[in-house]
Amino acid sequence: DFVLTQTPLSSPVTLGQSASISCRSSQSLVHSDGNTYLSWLHQRPGQPPRLLIYKISNRFSGVPDRFSGSGAGTDFTLKINRVEAEDVGIYYCMQATLFPTFGQGTRLEIK
Amino acid sequence: QVQLQESGPGLVKPSQTLSLTCTVSGAPVNSGVYYWSWIRQFPGKGLEWIGYIYSSVTTYYNPSLRGRARVSLDTSKNQFSLNLTSVTAADTAIYFCAGGQYWQTIFEDWGQGTLVTVSS
Repeated sequence: DFVLTQTPLSSPVTLGQSASISCRSSQSLVHSDGNTYLSWLHQRPGQPPRLLIYKISNRFSGVPDRFSGSGAGTDFTLKINRVEAEDVGIYYCMQATLFPTFGQGTRLEIK
Repeated sequence: QVQLQESGPGLVKPSQTLSLTCTVSGAPVNSGVYYWSWIRQFPGKGLEWIGYIYSSVTTYYNPSLRGRARVSLDTSKNQFSLNLTSVTAADTAIYFCAGGQYWQTIFEDWGQGTLVTVSS
């Protein structure tokens, strides 16, 4: 299995400031086809998760450019610039290089 | 925009079979390009992928479920379903159905989720 470990588990952020979330995999997420299937999802309270980023750094349709993803191999980062109130919730990294697995989640809250 | 909606019993007894249905609008479930998945979220908020059906006949399941899960299609109703056998309290969770056109965006659309409690 690919075990994904996120840090921090909780991130208090001031509105307008930036936030970063790290995701580390127990194994390289580079697929045999050369792609790295690492995604980020966001879940607001009472809502299903929604896809933000796929293949490390590609923003999904409708996702603001305040969100960016980076990384390679086993280490990945989601960065949120100019945090807004609607960004609160839980962020999950997810890999689909093998069967899909998720990180444990990082709760973003406003200070 | 594809929309999905889960339905099924909210309470299942231990050792019985959990059966849920996902009704899809905006895309045919027998489309050869969509992955139709089930995912669950435990009370502590952890997410677990259960399995998917792709191109109408190809299925793949989380090995941790040890053969208890089955995903199938009902093309006449544009639905796909989950059967999870021999449930225990550890299967208590919110169950989501999800769809995606490509492997890289396998969970691009989600249902709202339905809470299933396993209890006698």
